[in-house]
Amino acid sequence: NAGVTQTPKFQVLKTGQSMTLQCAQDMNHNSMYWYRQDPGMGLRLIYYSASEGTTDKGEVPNGYNVSRLNKREFSLRLESAAPSQTSVYFCASGRDWENEQFFGPGTRLTVL
Amino acid sequence: GDSVTQMEGPVTLSEEAFLTINCTYTATGYPSLFWYVQYPGEGLQLLLKATKADDKGSNKGFEATYRKETTSFHLEKGSVQVSDSAVYFCALRWAAGNKLTFGGGTRVLVKP
Repeated sequence: NAGVTQTPKFQVLKTGQSMTLQCAQDMNHNSMYWYRQDPGMGLRLIYYSASEGTTDKGEVPNGYNVSRLNKREFSLRLESAAPSQTSVYFCASGRDWENEQFFGPGTRLTVL
Repeated sequence: GDSVTQMEGPVTLSEEAFLTINCTYTATGYPSLFWYVQYPGEGLQLLLKATKADDKGSNKGFEATYRKETTSFHLEKGSVQVSDSAVYFCALRWAAGNKLTFGGGTRVLVKP
């Protein structure tokens, strides 16, 4: 099992460009999550999907959109990137909301 | 709102030294508490957890006890190894929710 995979690993964007971060899990988990990690601030939840077909806002959703494409895949889209979105993005999944979350290796995004 | 406070790092230790990382939380009621570890270049991994007061979580030589009277969940290890060099995150989650609230993380560097 690959666990949680994320692509790309690194990305540099110019302000105003758009991009989609991809996440997939092969553990048959119902719940999936997107976090951003900023120095000294831990991880903050952007969006989550408790089950296939549902998505909900987390703590810092502004400037992002998500799609739960199927049970395996959960993508994060930046429509118009801003320097404040420079961060490391982590995708996670869990069997349901009560269970442990498993994290992907992260995507390091820089917006110039 | 809920919050988690960790001691700031970096914490630099020699191999076989004793490690303590302080974690306190602010929340009404009794959430579940977690320690996650992030090794260089990787995503977060669950290290240990405790779901009710006075529970002790343990794993890989690390321990933490849920202290409701001091709202704390300090992480300890009696003899660290170079391989314990990582960033450690304390987090809480309510039983009725799926949102993890993270502390800012503590970087630990163990020197041979």
